[in-house]
Amino acid sequence: SQTIHQWPATLVQPVGSPLSLECTVEGTSNPNLYWYRQAAGRGLQLLFYSVGIGQISSEVPQNLSASRPQDRQFILSSKKLLLSDSGFYLCAWSLDSGPYEQYFGPGTRLTVT
Amino acid sequence: QKEVEQNSGPLSVPEGAIASLNCTYSDRGSQSFFWYRQYSGKSPELIMSIYSNGDKEDGRFTAQLNKASQYVSLLIRDSQPSDSATYLCAVNTRTDKLIFGTGTRLQVFP
Repeated sequence: SQTIHQWPATLVQPVGSPLSLECTVEGTSNPNLYWYRQAAGRGLQLLFYSVGIGQISSEVPQNLSASRPQDRQFILSSKKLLLSDSGFYLCAWSLDSGPYEQYFGPGTRLTVT
Repeated sequence: QKEVEQNSGPLSVPEGAIASLNCTYSDRGSQSFFWYRQYSGKSPELIMSIYSNGDKEDGRFTAQLNKASQYVSLLIRDSQPSDSATYLCAVNTRTDKLIFGTGTRLQVFP
């Protein structure tokens, strides 16, 4: 069966510090991978998605970036965090063919102080 | 017009009642429809998928799809306090992405 991992679970970072969040998937090959952010009491905002190694599509221009160095690894980064980057960061995967139902990892709660 | 719309709630129902959650979508070409449950502080969990018009039942959950009316719903029978959560509707619009609604908060009171 497939499993998705995210770490860390919680993170408190000062404004201006860098960020690296990691997501890995087990039990499947060539998955589609997605990064979402959910602000407190809000809906899911798609940040990036990837259909293969090195292939990243950005949905929202901002100070975040994503990379996919391996088939089942997806990394979300920032060089300098802003207060507005606080939120619940979720990684998800889907099969690379339809119907594209997505399965979420446990999430990382980021607080920028 | 939002692509996927849900009433934010809260929808309050007594224990044992049927909870009815609704979702409308704007893209007539949408092909796949999903319901996720999200407990407070947790990540969304897929609970139902539906791809063709009609009803699909899984335990206490029934998903209903009407493509002509661009409407998908989730019925929860014999609601329990443990069903209290936010329910997210998601739609696949012929791409490899899902469009999520903002969710309906359900409260089941004893």
